Amino acid sequence: AQKITQTQPGMFVQEKEAVTLDCTYDTSDQSYGLFWYKQPSSGEMIFLIYQGSYDEQNATEGRYSLNFQKARKSANLVISASQLGDSAMYFCAMRPNSGAGSYQLTFGKGTKLSVIP
Amino acid sequence: NAGVMQNPRHLVRRRGQEARLRCSPMKGHSHVYWYRQLPEEGLKFMVYLQKENIIDESGMPKERFSAEFPKEGPSILRIQQVVRGDSAAYFCASSPLRTSGGNTGELFFGEGSRLTVL
Repeated sequence: AQKITQTQPGMFVQEKEAVTLDCTYDTSDQSYGLFWYKQPSSGEMIFLIYQGSYDEQNATEGRYSLNFQKARKSANLVISASQLGDSAMYFCAMRPNSGAGSYQLTFGKGTKLSVIP
Repeated sequence: NAGVMQNPRHLVRRRGQEARLRCSPMKGHSHVYWYRQLPEEGLKFMVYLQKENIIDESGMPKERFSAEFPKEGPSILRIQQVVRGDSAAYFCASSPLRTSGGNTGELFFGEGSRLTVL
């Protein structure tokens, strides 16, 4: 079974500053994928970034980067140059690459990010 | 809009009534997933369907809940005899491929259907 832990229920960041959202995971699988999703107040789930467990380089997508530390089982999301539109809930998720649960995303409880002007 | 379409966006039911939530996947996607989000929680997997087949319903409550994805038409999540604990946001997602085997497996989510049970 997989478990995702997001220890920060809420975070504040000044506009234009960088912020790190924490995510740790627990799995016995050797091959898996890690995801971050954004959920603004309107409710939709927006895919941000993906990291494969065997990827040697940290994933980056525009202002989003994933600080992947496999030995520590952490996959923190870094948002650079925060914008007011970044205010939202952020969910970390994972999925094994094989086996019975290989199409089930397991989500954390989320972190609410508020960007302050 | 070529995205995943869910309707209704908001649904209010009284205890004991039935709720039907519909999901049209993205064009060309034949794999549909339903997730439920309780207040202050992350999404939890409910069921995975392909056309006319339920592949995995391990996340579905054993009673009152059912899902289908017919050959023609949208996927339907049906909740019979709703109770207050069924109040949640129900998200549908689709993918063109089975999301495993090392691909990024990005799921494209709809905007969700918010069920309120009075």
